[in-house]
Amino acid sequence: EDQVTQSPEALRLQEGESSSLNCSYTVSGLRGLFWYRQDPGKGPEFLFTLYSAGEEKEKERLKATLTKKESFLHITAPKPEDSATYLCAVPYSGGGADGLTFGKGTHLIIQP
Amino acid sequence: DAGVIQSPRHEVTEMGQEVTLRCKPISGHNSLFWYRQTMMRGLELLIYFNNNVPIDDSGMPEDRFSAKMPNASFSTLKIQPSEPRDSAVYFCASSSAQGIGETQYFGPGTRLLVL
Repeated sequence: EDQVTQSPEALRLQEGESSSLNCSYTVSGLRGLFWYRQDPGKGPEFLFTLYSAGEEKEKERLKATLTKKESFLHITAPKPEDSATYLCAVPYSGGGADGLTFGKGTHLIIQP
Repeated sequence: DAGVIQSPRHEVTEMGQEVTLRCKPISGHNSLFWYRQTMMRGLELLIYFNNNVPIDDSGMPEDRFSAKMPNASFSTLKIQPSEPRDSAVYFCASSSAQGIGETQYFGPGTRLLVL
């Protein structure tokens, strides 16, 4: 059974304090790992897709990395507007299914 | 591009009533997904369609739930009869499904409360 586990569940940082969020996964045959950002009362907003170990992608203060067992979302010098819940997800490993299995998310709060 | 459109945004109903949620995917996308989000279980896939055909409905919790996609620009998720435990945020997402692991784009969700 596909599993996605995110840690920590919640993280409170001061503005400018860099940190990393973790997403560990157990799937047979990874077909991509997705990072989404979700603001309160809104739908998840796509950030990155990583397809192979060693791959990295960056967007503003965010950088996502991928190994064979986990992915990290590094946040450098965060600002209050980076406060959100960050979700990672993997496609179902069964056949051609395209549904995503999501982790429970990391609720990030950046204090000014 | 208007993105994925969902209606209504909020729905309050009484137990036993029928509830219909609506979704308009991004134009040109041919895969559509319905998810449910709760605090306890997070985001869970209910059903998805490819080219208007239901591909996998194993996530639909009970026979009380049904989904249709009569054309490429419209889908409905119906709950009949509704129960308090159905209270959740329901999201619709779409993708172009041109490859494995294609990015899914989510709508704003419908917040359902069943009293």
